[in-house]
Amino acid sequence: ETGVTQTPRHLVMGMTNKKSLKCEQHLGHNAMYWYKQSAKKPLELMFVYSLEERVENNSVPSRFSPECPNSSHLFLHLHTLQPEDSALYLCASSQGIRGPYNEQFFGPGTRLTVL
Amino acid sequence: AQKITQTQPGMFVQEKEAVTLDCTYDTSDQSYGLFWYKQPSSGEMIFLIYQGSYDEQNATEGRYSLNFQKARKSANLVISASQLGDSAMYFCAMRSANAGNMLTFGGGTRLMVKP
Repeated sequence: ETGVTQTPRHLVMGMTNKKSLKCEQHLGHNAMYWYKQSAKKPLELMFVYSLEERVENNSVPSRFSPECPNSSHLFLHLHTLQPEDSALYLCASSQGIRGPYNEQFFGPGTRLTVL
Repeated sequence: AQKITQTQPGMFVQEKEAVTLDCTYDTSDQSYGLFWYKQPSSGEMIFLIYQGSYDEQNATEGRYSLNFQKARKSANLVISASQLGDSAMYFCAMRSANAGNMLTFGGGTRLMVKP
């Protein structure tokens, strides 16, 4: 596998379920990101990890819980979600987080539907 | 705070013609980077082109070029010789130290190429 992969690609869950989204990058990068893409809204940055430490958390509800066990893997644990959390969740990675140029490589996303 | 504005929610272009997608930005930083990403229906965000705020030449990558007008704070994407595979969402994004070097995305433009 190359680039950034995400599993599952599609997920349907009830409001009381607990599920996890997985992201893996094969690029040797040190930073990983979670974004949320809702219909008719710009991409929203949720979490940023650099060298496995969280460096950014944009006021995301606690029902979203990230985990970065190593520089290649990033998880987003979900519990007691709301229907408005239905969206495309994109993972990205970059070499670092400093400097104006630090291209982010994105995965294909997980399409989440909360019933 | 930095902001990216894409005023064209949707655009049509005839195959083989050129098209310009608009992007304006707002930042108080002197050093920043501007990015364009393409998102096909599959969901993955594909990096297209980058322009640094200190770059004197407009960036070009194959059929993509960036019309950078710093005084007007605009960074329009020009796609020459449109192809059917160019049909997708296009996002303009910016990164600067003011925003912690995190990417801020515009709302996107949906481009549809007509045969």
